[in-house]
Amino acid sequence: EDKVVQSPLSLVVHEGDTVTLNCSYEVTNFRSLLWYKQEKKAPTFLFMLTSSGIEKKSGRLSSILDKKELFSILNITATQTGDSAVYLCAALSNTGNQFYFGTGTSLTVIP
Amino acid sequence: ETGVTQSPTHLIKTRGQQVTLRCSSQSGHNTVSWYQQALGQGPQFIFQYYREEENGRGNFPPRFSGLQFPNYSSELNVNALELDDSALYLCASSLVGYGYTFGSGTRLTVV
Repeated sequence: EDKVVQSPLSLVVHEGDTVTLNCSYEVTNFRSLLWYKQEKKAPTFLFMLTSSGIEKKSGRLSSILDKKELFSILNITATQTGDSAVYLCAALSNTGNQFYFGTGTSLTVIP
Repeated sequence: ETGVTQSPTHLIKTRGQQVTLRCSSQSGHNTVSWYQQALGQGPQFIFQYYREEENGRGNFPPRFSGLQFPNYSSELNVNALELDDSALYLCASSLVGYGYTFGSGTRLTVV
C-alpha cells in the first residue's frame, strides 16, 4: 500500500530555534516529493524534489530528498511565529497521477 | 494570492442530500484534482481530470463524481451524503507532472 509518514506529528519550539521535519514514503512508481505549508485552508507550495541529494533552499527553509532511503527532510532555521502551520509532505506517483499526502506536522512557534 | 477559486467556502447539508462544489482552475492549468481533508488528517485523493476526462481515482465510492469543462473549471458532486463526508474539500490545478496550486477549499458539514 502506498503511504507517506511524517514525523513528528506536532512540535512546539521557541522563536529562533531550528527545526527538522521528517517525511518517509513508500510509493509505487515514485516521481517527486513536495512540501506544502497549510495555515488555514489552502496548502501553499514550498518545494518540489525530484533528484536525490540536491538541497533546495528558500530563505530560512531548505529541503533534501534521499531516494535510496525513501525520505525527505524540511529544515527551518531561526524560526518565527509566522512559521506556525501544518507542514504537509506529498509523494507524486506516475501511476494514477496522484499525490499521496502524509498527515502533516503541526509546528507551533512560541515568541 | 491563489489562482484557484472554489465556491462555496462553507456549506451545511443534511444526510442523504446531494452537493455540488465548484472550482475555477489557475489560468493555463489543464489538470484539476480534488482532495478530501478530514480534520487533523492530510488530504486524500478523490480523483483527477485532464482534458475533461477522469485521469486517476482514489479510494472513494461512485457517489463521488466529477466534471471538467472546456475552460478547465471543474465540479465535484457527492450524492447521498453521509456524516463522514464532512470535511474540507480542496481543488488543485496543475500542469501534468508539476506541483499543485490549491484553492482555499470548501468546508462541508453534513448534519
